[in-house]
Amino acid sequence: SAVISQKPSRDICQRGTSLTIQCQVDSQVTMMFWYRQQPGQSLTLIATANQGSEATYESGFVIDKFPISRPNLTFSTLTVSNMSPEDSSIYLCSVGPSGRGNEQFFGPGTRLTVL
Amino acid sequence: KQEVTQIPAALSVPEGENLVLNCSFTDSAIYNLQWFRQDPGKGLTSLLLIQSSQREQTSGRLNASLDKSSGRSTLYIAASQPGDSATYLCAVTLFGNEKLTFGTGTRLTIIP
Repeated sequence: SAVISQKPSRDICQRGTSLTIQCQVDSQVTMMFWYRQQPGQSLTLIATANQGSEATYESGFVIDKFPISRPNLTFSTLTVSNMSPEDSSIYLCSVGPSGRGNEQFFGPGTRLTVL
Repeated sequence: KQEVTQIPAALSVPEGENLVLNCSFTDSAIYNLQWFRQDPGKGLTSLLLIQSSQREQTSGRLNASLDKSSGRSTLYIAASQPGDSATYLCAVTLFGNEKLTFGTGTRLTIIP
């Protein structure tokens, strides 16, 4: 399975600021995804990070709020812009498909608290 | 729109017991189903992946089954241990779409 790291692991930010989260994979992968997990909730897909082109966003998520970069097949960033307390969540990146039937693997997550 | 539900939302069992977690989905045209565990404040660990053509998968004390026609999957944990305490999530993908749709999760507590 792929080894995925995220930076930072956690952060506490002030309202109105922005935070960029990094996701690094130890091997080249076709697909990278960004998910949000709000407190006490399950995971919701924010967007698919496409290498060399604009990310594909899910309904309810927009590029101005969550700009995403994917400069190569092992790295992606998610920025949470103009933060409000409602953005307090765990943000997770995942990668897939693996050779084993599209199994997906997740990073350790970034716990964000917005004051 | 695919909806995935897990019942119960929380479960407590004494150590050593066998237990079953349930996952149901509304659109049976799934490509695969994946079970994850999540420890508090942490990321997800993949436990088992079942392809749509398979009926079950086993890994150690874990056994996952899939019944596509009824839109259900179960995760069986044998001889539970306190280290099994975590939230268990199921997620499905549809054909031609790698996006995971997650269930609501079951928070499992194993009582020593």
